[in-house]
Amino acid sequence: NAGVTQTPKFQVLKTGQSMTLQCAQDMNHNSMYWYRQDPGMGLRLIYYSASEGTTDKGEVPNGYNVSRLNKREFSLRLESAAPSQTSVYFCASSSDSLGYEQYFGPGTRLTVT
Amino acid sequence: QKEVEQDPGPLSVPEGAIVSLNCTYSNSAFQYFMWYRQYSRKGPELLMYTYSSGNKEDGRFTAQVDKSSKYISLFIRDSQPSDSATYLCAMGAGNNRKLIWGLGTSLAVNP
Repeated sequence: NAGVTQTPKFQVLKTGQSMTLQCAQDMNHNSMYWYRQDPGMGLRLIYYSASEGTTDKGEVPNGYNVSRLNKREFSLRLESAAPSQTSVYFCASSSDSLGYEQYFGPGTRLTVT
Repeated sequence: QKEVEQDPGPLSVPEGAIVSLNCTYSNSAFQYFMWYRQYSRKGPELLMYTYSSGNKEDGRFTAQVDKSSKYISLFIRDSQPSDSATYLCAMGAGNNRKLIWGLGTSLAVNP
């Protein structure tokens, strides 16, 4: 039981490049989340998916797109990376009906130059 | 004013000390209160989850919620070096699946 896995662990992009962050969970959870964590700003929700086939915007969705590929996988895409998107990105999943008991992945450290 | 305020510390205590970590909030709709622990370069992990007011105890950890004062606390008894981490409070109103997070308090427990 791996829990929540994220790939890649580290990535350096140039401004304007695109990339997809991958997330998978093997806990059969319905809900999945993407956060970014920045010093002095804390954890901020980018997008979430309450169930397979649905996605909703969080606090900071601009510049990102998501895909809930199936129940296990939830990907985050940066279409045209900007230095302001330099951050640590966390994926999380949850099984409880409110979505508050969240299990986090190890994170992806992204630098945009 | 942020919805959730948390002193970032850092807090440094000797091993065996009792640690008190706190958050205040402004939204009276919050009913669900959580404490997550985050080790350096790792993802957060859920430590305590409480609903409404009152206390909840789990081993060396006690979570306390005072809704009248809009104040929550996490107490760690007999603190250990392995408790050195950042502690994040998080809150939810129960109607939109979104958690509101504090910035986290960095704790160092010195042997």
